[in-house]
Amino acid sequence: QKEVEQNSGPLSVPEGAIASLNCTYSDRGSQSFFWYRQYSGKSPELIMFIYSNGDKEDGRFTAQLNKASQYVSLLIRDSQPSDSATYLCAGSDQAGTALIFGKGTTLSVSS
Amino acid sequence: DAGVTQSPTHLIKTRGQQVTLRCSPISGHKSVSWYQQVLGQGPQFIFQYYEKEERGRGNFPDRFSARQFPNYSSELNVNALLLGDSALYLCASSQIPGDNQPQHFGDGTRLSIL
Repeated sequence: QKEVEQNSGPLSVPEGAIASLNCTYSDRGSQSFFWYRQYSGKSPELIMFIYSNGDKEDGRFTAQLNKASQYVSLLIRDSQPSDSATYLCAGSDQAGTALIFGKGTTLSVSS
Repeated sequence: DAGVTQSPTHLIKTRGQQVTLRCSPISGHKSVSWYQQVLGQGPQFIFQYYEKEERGRGNFPDRFSARQFPNYSSELNVNALLLGDSALYLCASSQIPGDNQPQHFGDGTRLSIL
């Protein structure tokens, strides 16, 4: 059973702090990983994707991938109350068809 | 440019009925995927279509079916509805299939079964 595991949280950080969201996956065949943000009652919105080992930065967001450890993370710098949402980690299946999602981590940023 | 559009937004059905959900992908996107999301869980893959052909199917019963049209839009059909089918149904599109192709989601159809 291919799985993506996330700490469900909630993760609470003060405004301006760094939020660190983590994800592990079981399928070594997964090549690509995606982070989605989902506000309550809304659909998932793509934030970042990463294919290669290492870091990928986009504005306040940094995705990190370690395929040897089967570990993916998302760092949010200078967290804002508007970042409060559920963050979904997803890995591609080997066929490149399905995204396999974790249950999501709820982030709360207090002002 | 318009994103992925889904209709209807909300739907209420009773057990045993049938439902059809519709999706139009982002312009230029040829691949459409369907996901089911129940409260408190991540989306679960149902189908992926590309060039009108099914490329992948998740672990859902045969009551679930889908198709893709020449204009790349798609329909998801669910027969003999059960209470457990109540969920947010999400459509996602990508330019082509592939593990390095980001999938972009529509706003979803919220289906409630009474």
